[in-house]
Amino acid sequence: SAVISQKPSRDICQRGTSLTIQCQVDSQVTMMFWYRQQPGQSLTLIATANQGSEATYESGFVIDKFPISRPNLTFSTLTVSNMSPEDSSIYLCSVKPPGSYNEQFFGPGTRLTVL
Amino acid sequence: ELKVEQNPLFLSMQEGKNYTIYCNYSTTSDRLYWYRQDPGKSLESLFVLLSNGAVKQEGRLMASLDTKARLSTLHITAAVHDLSATYFCAVDIRQGAQKLVFGQGTRLTINP
Repeated sequence: SAVISQKPSRDICQRGTSLTIQCQVDSQVTMMFWYRQQPGQSLTLIATANQGSEATYESGFVIDKFPISRPNLTFSTLTVSNMSPEDSSIYLCSVKPPGSYNEQFFGPGTRLTVL
Repeated sequence: ELKVEQNPLFLSMQEGKNYTIYCNYSTTSDRLYWYRQDPGKSLESLFVLLSNGAVKQEGRLMASLDTKARLSTLHITAAVHDLSATYFCAVDIRQGAQKLVFGQGTRLTINP
């Protein structure tokens, strides 16, 4: 498994502002993922962030709203831009360690509240 | 579009009882994962099922996979309060980009 940390753990933000969430992993991984979990809901994949290439976004998510950086094999950021109350969610990063199957390990999450 | 459906979504049970959570999915896949989430916490990996007929057990939990029926089950034996959590199944999509598609989650409450 991998040890994953996220910053901040929680934040309360004003409408129209942006927040950048950091994800750090203790080992080098090729594949990192960003998910959103709305209150009481399941996880929805926002994008896949592979080092050395542009992030791949899922349907319903766009780069202008959720820009992602992946500068190296242990770190990624997700920015939630021009926030509205509908963006209030838990944002989780996950990693897929090297191997033949897609078991993912999750960070502790960032709980975002937009007022 | 792949759909992953869990049943039931909410389950309240007494300690000592047995029960099963079902995870049905709509496309071909031979890999499925079960996760546990405690309130306010992240997801913890429970089981990795990598082939048809796979069965994994850990303590009072046992997971199985039937790829022909597109069905996985998570069976709880003699439930204890500590197993109260939300349980998610996730199906591995390997056509094109690798990604997981999660079920809605089953919120399990075990009462003394």
